[in-house]
Amino acid sequence: NAGVTQTPKFQVLKTGQSMTLQCAQDMNHEYMSWYRQDPGMGLRLIHYSVGAGITDQGEVPNGYNVSRSTTEDFPLRLLSAAPSQTSVYFCASSYGGGTNEKLFFGSGTQLSVL
Amino acid sequence: QQQVKQSPQSLIVQKGGIPIINCAYENTAFDYFPWYQQFPGKGPALLIAIRPDVSEKKEGRFTISFNKSAKQFSLHIMDSQPGDSATYFCAVANAGGTSYGKLTFGQGTILTVHP
Repeated sequence: NAGVTQTPKFQVLKTGQSMTLQCAQDMNHEYMSWYRQDPGMGLRLIHYSVGAGITDQGEVPNGYNVSRSTTEDFPLRLLSAAPSQTSVYFCASSYGGGTNEKLFFGSGTQLSVL
Repeated sequence: QQQVKQSPQSLIVQKGGIPIINCAYENTAFDYFPWYQQFPGKGPALLIAIRPDVSEKKEGRFTISFNKSAKQFSLHIMDSQPGDSATYFCAVANAGGTSYGKLTFGQGTILTVHP
């Protein structure tokens, strides 16, 4: 049972380049989300999805694009990379409500933009 | 604007000690308060969560204390072990039935437990 799989684990980009961070889950979860983690700032929500074909913006959406064509996949696109997007990116899937709610995170993608 | 403030930034205790990590929030609409644990090179993992209808919840050595009037909640780790050394994040959500994966996280606390 793989859970949430993110690729690549590491990536170096030059300013202005574009790329896609891949995220796949095999738990049939309805909800998926992307967070970025920066030192001293915790994790901040970029975009989220409540089901195939439905996405919405989080706290820090600028410079990022998402789509969700299947339940399993939720890729994050960087349109024109900037040094401010240097961060660790986590994808998560979740289910349930109340105190049974649980987010399952992938192991992250460390991105450096030069 | 920080919706949740977490303290301290870092914490060092001896094995067997009881580290306490605190979080304060402003928005009274928040109704879901989880704690996540993260080891180096890994994604965060849910540790324990509470809803505002109870003031305390225990799961093993981990306890959440919740003070609704003060808009604060805390994580206590009883009989701490070196294996508990990790980064801990509190989070909040206006969940109703579910948060849909939309959490607002605190800044994180790096806990070190010495043997």
